[in-house]
Amino acid sequence: DAKTTQPNSMESNEEEPVHLPCNHSTISGTDYIHWYRQLPSQGPEYVIHGLTSNVNNRMASLAIAEDRKSSTLILHRATLRDAAVYYCILRDDGSSNTGKLIFGQGTTLQVKP
Amino acid sequence: DTEVTQTPKHLVMGMTNKKSLKCEQHMGHRAMYWYKQKAKKPPELMFVYSYEKLSINESVPSRFSPECPNSSLLNLHLHALQPEDSALYLCASSQDDWASGGAETQYFGPGTRLLVL
Repeated sequence: DAKTTQPNSMESNEEEPVHLPCNHSTISGTDYIHWYRQLPSQGPEYVIHGLTSNVNNRMASLAIAEDRKSSTLILHRATLRDAAVYYCILRDDGSSNTGKLIFGQGTTLQVKP
Repeated sequence: DTEVTQTPKHLVMGMTNKKSLKCEQHMGHRAMYWYKQKAKKPPELMFVYSYEKLSINESVPSRFSPECPNSSLLNLHLHALQPEDSALYLCASSQDDWASGGAETQYFGPGTRLLVL
């Protein structure tokens, strides 16, 4: 599986937008970009995923660069509840569906009131 | 119901004990996973079951023994563990639908926090 690179930590103020970057320069044409987050003392939870086009859901937006070598998770208005470790993960469409989620170190997001 | 439940929430065991972790989902998912997460580290895959058959074992020591009695249940039997096995053990499930491909997402339980003394 291709590797992702994320900043170790980021800070945000409550009620402001947050842009969490992810680099995946070795991404293949069949890799989906997934984002999961892990709140303190909880299991990871799915946030969003995409292949080529930008995606929106009730939790966040995913902006994918035209060359797909990077992507950005956008939280439109950060709340204190959004403080978590955010993981950017690539999933190969060509591999087995019971595929591994290979977690990198992720970005620890702090949200200040 | 989009929940994966895990019991117990916490477990303390000695190195000579035998214990089991339990995971349950009622979403009709046919793939189930065990992950191990050490403090301040990302989760690491241990085992994958697909349609109740073990499909991936990430070279996990035999003191960890998984079992999938039916499509809703996943157990992890523990025997003769070491203190370095202390960690958060996470269970997850997914549809295992060939049509989903790389878009398939996993649902995680809250984990069992294990301490081996």
